[in-house]
Amino acid sequence: QQPVQSPQAVILREGEDAVINCSSSKALYSVHWYRQKHGEAPVFLMILLKGGEQKGHEKISASFNEKKQQSSLYLTASQLSYSGTYFCGTEGRGGSNYKLTFGKGTLLTVNP
Amino acid sequence: NAGVTQTPKFRVLKTGQSMTLLCAQDMNHEYMYWYRQDPGMGLRLIHYSVGEGTTAKGEVPDGYNVSRLKKQNFLLGLESAAPSQTSVYFCASSRSSIRGEKLFFGSGTQLSVL
Repeated sequence: QQPVQSPQAVILREGEDAVINCSSSKALYSVHWYRQKHGEAPVFLMILLKGGEQKGHEKISASFNEKKQQSSLYLTASQLSYSGTYFCGTEGRGGSNYKLTFGKGTLLTVNP
Repeated sequence: NAGVTQTPKFRVLKTGQSMTLLCAQDMNHEYMYWYRQDPGMGLRLIHYSVGEGTTAKGEVPDGYNVSRLKKQNFLLGLESAAPSQTSVYFCASSRSSIRGEKLFFGSGTQLSVL
C-alpha cells in the first residue's frame, strides 16, 4: 500500500517554511525522502531509520515517528531551488521486504 | 562513473508490439528496481532484483517481464504493449538491501503506446 502524503501541493514565497507529511498504514522500518525536478530523475535527500532521524541537508530535515508510522519533511527558509515534487518512500518491517513503496508526491513551488 | 544508464530515452510503440528497456549500472550494486511513474500516481514498483539471476514482483507487475542475467544489467520487457503502459519508466539500483541504502535512479524512459 502506498503511503499517503500531504499536502498534495504547496506554494511558497522564497524564505517561507513548509512541512510535508508521510503516513503509512503498516509498521515501518525506514522512510526515505526524494526530490524530483520536472523532467528529471528523483534524487535522494535522506533516510530515517528505526528509532531516529537523520539530516541530509542544512535547511531540510525530517523526523520519523515509528509508533504513529509517520514521517515529516521540514523545509526552512525555502529557496527557489527547492521547487520540485517530493516523494516519501517507505520500507515495511518483516520478512524480506527489501523494497520501497513511494507516495504520490507533494508538488512544492517556491516563488520569488 | 556513469551511475545508472537507461536506454532508450524515448520510444513510441503501437499496441501489440514488444520491446525491451535496458538498465545498466556501473556501481557494482546488488539490488535493482524498475518503477513506472504516471501523473498523480507517484512511483510504482514493477519488478525488482536482489542479485544476479533473481527477480521478484512489485506492486504492478502484470504485462511486464524482467531478467537479470548479469549483475550490472536489469532488463524490462513488454511482450504485447498496451496503451495503459504509456508511462515514464525509471530504473534504480542500491548497493545492498534498501535498509539504510539510498536508491540511485536512471534518467528515465518515456514510452508511448498508441
